[in-house]
Amino acid sequence: DGGITQSPKYLFRKEGQNVTLSCEQNLNHDAMYWYRQDPGQGLRLIYYSQIVNDFQKGDIAEGYSVSREKKESFPLTVTSAQKNPTAFYLCATGQRDQPQHFGDGTRLSIL
Amino acid sequence: AQSVSQHNHHVILSEAASLELGCNYSYGGTVNLFWYVQYPGQHLQLLLKYFSGDPLVKGIKGFEAEFIKSKFSFNLRKPSVQWSDTAEYFCAVNADTGGFKTIFGAGTRLFVKA
Repeated sequence: DGGITQSPKYLFRKEGQNVTLSCEQNLNHDAMYWYRQDPGQGLRLIYYSQIVNDFQKGDIAEGYSVSREKKESFPLTVTSAQKNPTAFYLCATGQRDQPQHFGDGTRLSIL
Repeated sequence: AQSVSQHNHHVILSEAASLELGCNYSYGGTVNLFWYVQYPGQHLQLLLKYFSGDPLVKGIKGFEAEFIKSKFSFNLRKPSVQWSDTAEYFCAVNADTGGFKTIFGAGTRLFVKA
């Protein structure tokens, strides 16, 4: 099946810890995106990547980092610098101006 | 920079009532516009899209939206809602700002009373 796989589904982080969220796609889409979804704030763009080895900051990139070493993969690291990391994180793929496809999301909580 | 504003955060309607959800965006160039829907416990999925041509676009499940360029608006409408339309609705704008990126509005939670 073609699709986007995000893992894990639930993740718990201790204070001061970095954690990495996985996003893998087999849709052969060039672009990949990370959004953070908070109640009442919609989806806010964290980072996006149009091609391998290139990525740009979105509106709320502080405290996050990404890499795009392969077309299929776009992992997101939530660093200890992110002061309010508890949220639902969505990965999406797309082709230029076409509608996006979304993964199932990862819910991150702080212990 | 692009931004998207959805006017209503929560809407409560009775079945058979008409629906209009407002969406305004700010970006001076050419845009592509989308409405997505997220049913409880499900993926975000595309409801409808506008790229060019007829500014009145029809989507799935009887939804439609009208692009009014002069008002920078892309409002979503449905003449008669059903209980199954209870969901969160997101307006989104995609533009080529040196790379295509999509910005979403804050969302509108619709609750339809049976």
